[in-house]
Amino acid sequence: AQSVTQPDIHITVSEGASLELRCNYSYGATPYLFWYVQSPGQGLQLLLKYFSGDTLVQGIKGFEAEFKRSQSSFNLRKPSVHWSDAAEYFCAVGEGHNAGNMLTFGGGTRLMVKP
Amino acid sequence: DAGVTQSPTHLIKTRGQHVTLRCSPISGHKSVSWYQQVLGQGPQFIFQYYEKEERGRGNFPDRFSARQFPNYSSELNVNALLLGDSALYLCASSSGQSASGTETQYFGPGTRLLVL
Repeated sequence: AQSVTQPDIHITVSEGASLELRCNYSYGATPYLFWYVQSPGQGLQLLLKYFSGDTLVQGIKGFEAEFKRSQSSFNLRKPSVHWSDAAEYFCAVGEGHNAGNMLTFGGGTRLMVKP
Repeated sequence: DAGVTQSPTHLIKTRGQHVTLRCSPISGHKSVSWYQQVLGQGPQFIFQYYEKEERGRGNFPDRFSARQFPNYSSELNVNALLLGDSALYLCASSSGQSASGTETQYFGPGTRLLVL
């Protein structure tokens, strides 16, 4: 069965600093990978997704992620964090023919931004 | 255009009761998925429906059921509520028309259920 691990439960960074959130997955075939963000009281918003092709994926709000098959990782990065980026971030994997609609999520990483 | 809408926003029930949660997908979307998000955890997949038929089911007991209506809206039903059913229930919709199932899901704000 597929699984997703986000090793960091909480991360605190200073505004303007760079950010990297880690995500490791376990899945036998080529995974479909997603990053979502959830602000307090809000639903999930898709930041970016990887299905195939270029392993460096650009998303909204200045985020990017890199798929590394050899490390089973899909880490999320941002060069300069803004206070409004404080939220919870979820990595997710989809499988098979219905990859986008039946996602397995990681436990999430809560990002706090210091002024 | 309206996004995915869910009702009610909050709900309090007692153990053993039944609950029905409702979801209206984005206009034109034919696929609806349901997820349970327990406090402090990531969402967990419950069901997916497309064109009124169940396409996928997660690892949840038979107390959980769902259906999709001709207008593509959906209901999630939970019988014999347990304390552990307290969670945020998220609905997501997608067009459902990608042959590879790789279209984007859009999530609603969720229904927060508290079971006492």
